[in-house]
Amino acid sequence: QVQLVQSGAEVKKPGSSVKVSCKASGGTFSSYAISWVRQAPGQGLEWMGRIIPILGIANYAQKFQGRVTITADKSTSTAYMELSSLRSEDTAVYYCASRGVYWGQGTLVTVSS
Amino acid sequence: NFMLTQPHSVSESPGKTVTISCTRSSGSIASNYVQWYQQRPGSAPTTVIYEDNQRPSGVPDRFSGSIDSSSNSASLTISGLKTEDEADYYCQSYDSSNHWVFGGGTKLTVL
Repeated sequence: QVQLVQSGAEVKKPGSSVKVSCKASGGTFSSYAISWVRQAPGQGLEWMGRIIPILGIANYAQKFQGRVTITADKSTSTAYMELSSLRSEDTAVYYCASRGVYWGQGTLVTVSS
Repeated sequence: NFMLTQPHSVSESPGKTVTISCTRSSGSIASNYVQWYQQRPGSAPTTVIYEDNQRPSGVPDRFSGSIDSSSNSASLTISGLKTEDEADYYCQSYDSSNHWVFGGGTKLTVL
């Protein structure tokens, strides 16, 4: 059974960056894509991008191109999502997910001056 | 790109059966797997169906998924409804670049 554990809540200023981690255990980390999904308050789910750790290749939703970077560290079975040029509309809970089956617990990112 | 359209809300009584639809706007629903996620208030999503009709371990067999090419839609059926099934449900599939596409979500009320 794969478990995904994410880093804790963050409060950021507009214009800054945030980096959220997602540590996997109990499965073969490198072989399966890790996706990042966010959910703004009261809204639906929105896919941001994904990485296949064994290939080190990431691809991104067009909406976030140029502002999001997804990386993975195979040695620690951890994936990262970094979002830059933060604005208030980026306030959301950010989730990682593996294979469309396993989900992290979510990380609340609040962007406020 | 295509859209996945779900009803905004559905309601049904405990013990009954409810079906939530997810209609693909273009391209074949059968061309890419569909997942279904349950999200209770204040909680992370959990997967109840993956690859059209597979249940992760721990998900009761009251949950089932299917694909209907004639209506170009996927369906999530929950039988023997329980109050604990009250949640938001999202369908998700993939586009030609393997990017995830979500439906807008359906609020299930069990009353």
